[in-house]
Amino acid sequence: DSGVTQTPKHLITATGQRVTLRCSPRSGDLSVYWYQQSLDQGLQFLIQYYNGEERAKGNILERFSAQQFPDLHSELNLSSLELGDSALYFCASSVPRLTGSSYNEQFFGPGTRLTVL
Amino acid sequence: SQQGEEDPQALSIQEGENATMNCSYKTSINNLQWYRQNSGRGLVHLILIRSNEREKHSGRLRVTLDTSKKSSSLLITASRAADTASYFCATDANSGGSNYKLTFGKGTLLTVNP
Repeated sequence: DSGVTQTPKHLITATGQRVTLRCSPRSGDLSVYWYQQSLDQGLQFLIQYYNGEERAKGNILERFSAQQFPDLHSELNLSSLELGDSALYFCASSVPRLTGSSYNEQFFGPGTRLTVL
Repeated sequence: SQQGEEDPQALSIQEGENATMNCSYKTSINNLQWYRQNSGRGLVHLILIRSNEREKHSGRLRVTLDTSKKSSSLLITASRAADTASYFCATDANSGGSNYKLTFGKGTLLTVNP
């Protein structure tokens, strides 16, 4: 158990819909990362938040957005869903609050499996 | 685009044999990490090697890094059926601050047959 939690575990929805994925980082971690994993694209970095602010952006579509709240949990919003958005979405966290270490081991949650029908 | 590219894409060995996976990357890095993923589950950090290190050991794992060739290898010795998983390399090329983005390769699927 990494200490990172994600909900829901599974999500089945229809094209055109909007969903919200939730992530709670390890206690004390300041950074949250979102990744998308699909068979054809592999593990793609989407976006990173650090202590509530966006820090890095990867291959995130404009239909997707994320935020990190004051309690450090994060949500990834996916809208106007398409069949190709079906994937595993992982959240990871790193950087303990107390040490502020630059050591970048990331701790991954169990993922949310999104199926768009 | 993927920074790291693992080779081979798939590897099948017998229990007790050693497994070697390679990773190549394109830009200068601060460190390189290896992660493991069991089917459909989250990734688990295995080992990190910094750009000024050449070799690192952790239990049955041995990682090497050749920055001149921009490549790394992960050796798992005396493999077990429980080592069956996908293995990913991830590179950290960040310039500092609070940007800790990692770039992952596509992974090597290791199957260890009992």
